[in-house]
Amino acid sequence: GAVVSQHPSWVICKSGTSVKIECRSLDFQATTMFWYRQFPKQSLMLMATSNEGSKATYEQGVEKDKFLINHASLTLSTLTVTSAHPEDSSFYICSARGGAPNQPQHFGDGTRLSIL
Amino acid sequence: DQQVKQNSPSLSVQEGRISILNCDYTNSMFDYFLWYKKYPAEGPTFLISISSIKDKNEDGRFTVFLNKSAKHLSLHIVPSQPGDSAVYFCAASPTGTASKLTFGTGTRLQVTL
Repeated sequence: GAVVSQHPSWVICKSGTSVKIECRSLDFQATTMFWYRQFPKQSLMLMATSNEGSKATYEQGVEKDKFLINHASLTLSTLTVTSAHPEDSSFYICSARGGAPNQPQHFGDGTRLSIL
Repeated sequence: DQQVKQNSPSLSVQEGRISILNCDYTNSMFDYFLWYKKYPAEGPTFLISISSIKDKNEDGRFTVFLNKSAKHLSLHIVPSQPGDSAVYFCAASPTGTASKLTFGTGTRLQVTL
């Protein structure tokens, strides 16, 4: 149980385009979803937290206009990297958790984003 | 400011022996701790967690120990298996609901034959 699917797993696009990444909880209702970014050989850095039906809460230093997050249902959250540039190239990972106390976050397999 | 630290970037253990992965934290507000395992190009997989009201939690081959006074936790894997070879991250949360995790930098475990 507790499967989180993230799509696409790998995307290459030109500078200036926008890229949408989807995160779905397949067998549970995700009250909260999280978006992380991981640079090579570094830890996962939380970008934002989103609760279904409400605006995302962004961590300090994360541009909300650059990284648009939508959590329209209990099973789907999307991250859109707008007007992507090479410095946005990274590994993006989503996670989801249910609403019960002490539920761990379950992670998707990540999206490798390369901006040319 | 790294609030969760894993000071050993790598660890090599022989199959069948015990693997001990360590994690230190500085934020006294953390009260829920988790260990995740990660393979390359995949997301982390939840292994085991512990809340601050306990000092030990066991699940099969995995045991997590928490020493609150020392702000230290460890993951014991026994017996270690080749399939355990991966990067292990500890994570901490300031609430009891595993929200807003702060991750350590990871320890790469290699289990040799």
